[in-house]
Amino acid sequence: RKEVEQDPGPFNVPEGATVAFNCTYSNSASQSFFWYRQDCRKEPKLLMSVYSSGNEDGRFTAQLNRASQYISLLIRDSKLSDSATYLCVVNRDNDYKLSFGAGTTVTVRA
Amino acid sequence: EAQVTQNPRYLITVTGKKLTVTCSQNMNHEYMSWYRQDPGLGLRQIYYSMNVEVTDKGDVPEGYKVSRKEKRNFPLILESPSPNQTSLYFCASSLYASGNPSYEQYFGPGTRLTVT
Repeated sequence: RKEVEQDPGPFNVPEGATVAFNCTYSNSASQSFFWYRQDCRKEPKLLMSVYSSGNEDGRFTAQLNRASQYISLLIRDSKLSDSATYLCVVNRDNDYKLSFGAGTTVTVRA
Repeated sequence: EAQVTQNPRYLITVTGKKLTVTCSQNMNHEYMSWYRQDPGLGLRQIYYSMNVEVTDKGDVPEGYKVSRKEKRNFPLILESPSPNQTSLYFCASSLYASGNPSYEQYFGPGTRLTVT
């Protein structure tokens, strides 16, 4: 079983729509969770960290469900510029090793 | 400008010809890491370094070497490249404080390597 699993998509949504997707992780000891954004095989960039209480950054909302071991990302009022691959990232145990999901591709159409 | 640089950005080489991909960061980060990205597999860690002269294996270290003689540089060495090392490689750096692994990683622009 992969340490981090994501639905690869693609999620094709019209501008203005809401899109949400999840990421599951296998290590119950994981403590740190992130969403990174990657444009067309360019370098990944941090989108947001995911906190236990859930957090919001503008149109983006991240949630953590420890009981079911998944994190989610919701994008409201999608923009064309939101088209990208979103990588779920989870740390492992207490060392500084990060596990990356293969990514969920979102395409926003006009 | 704070950044991570990698060179070369694109490289086509032949099996067995030693090569080095350089990585440099100007943010005084302690932690540096190399990843490879392959379709459907996500980023997999090759090697990482928590400070000068401190390196450790990641998940897929076979066929690679690294060194960390200076804080800013973390070169990736392929002594005898093989076609299965054809991939997109990313170097990353971040702050690191013992016991706190929650820092943002800054990635370089990537190196697309093809081994024929």
